[in-house]
Amino acid sequence: KAGVTQTPRYLIKTRGQQVTLSCSPISGHRSVSWYQQTPGQGLQFLFEYFSETQRNKGNFPGRFSGRQFSNSRSEMNVSTLELGDSALYLCASSLQQGNGYTFGSGTRLTVV
Amino acid sequence: GDSVTQMEGPVTLSEEAFLTINCTYTATGYPSLFWYVQYPGEGLQLLLKATKADDKGSNKGFEATYRKETTSFHLEKGSVQVSDSAVYFCALSYNTNAGKSTFGDGTTLTVKP
Repeated sequence: KAGVTQTPRYLIKTRGQQVTLSCSPISGHRSVSWYQQTPGQGLQFLFEYFSETQRNKGNFPGRFSGRQFSNSRSEMNVSTLELGDSALYLCASSLQQGNGYTFGSGTRLTVV
Repeated sequence: GDSVTQMEGPVTLSEEAFLTINCTYTATGYPSLFWYVQYPGEGLQLLLKATKADDKGSNKGFEATYRKETTSFHLEKGSVQVSDSAVYFCALSYNTNAGKSTFGDGTTLTVKP
């Protein structure tokens, strides 16, 4: 079966712009989580969606937002990009609580 | 709050050597514990898990035992291969809050032929 698909794989944006990243979870997985991965901070939890509702949120500013559609696909948006937003953004889906995640390959965002 | 601490890397081993990557955690409740592996340019893959004390997770020759008394979940493999070279992450999450996991900083393993 298809894994977690993230698009695009790479993005280069300019400071001040906004960006939208997309994630298609494994079929049947209703929980989608987003993480930011950087060399300095490691993996940091952004938010989690379940059945189109945000269920958990990490400690990121309001410039980071997301949503989930009825088919469980999810998008995250970052507005007013800063250089520090350069990172690998990982999406993960889960079928059942406590079973662990299946991760996508990530979107590498570079802000210049 | 919760936290996960992994042994600092990088770890360099020769092929067929024994591997241990230490992981300890601090938790406010009774979490499930996980090991993930990340190969270059890819996302994380779930390697193994344990959901309660004394459970042993195993996969592809890797093992880890949930030790509540020492709050540890050390990853072991008896004989590593070059293909095991990757970054390994220890993580915890709660069944009631599974959408959010707490990850360690990762340990880079390099296996030389």
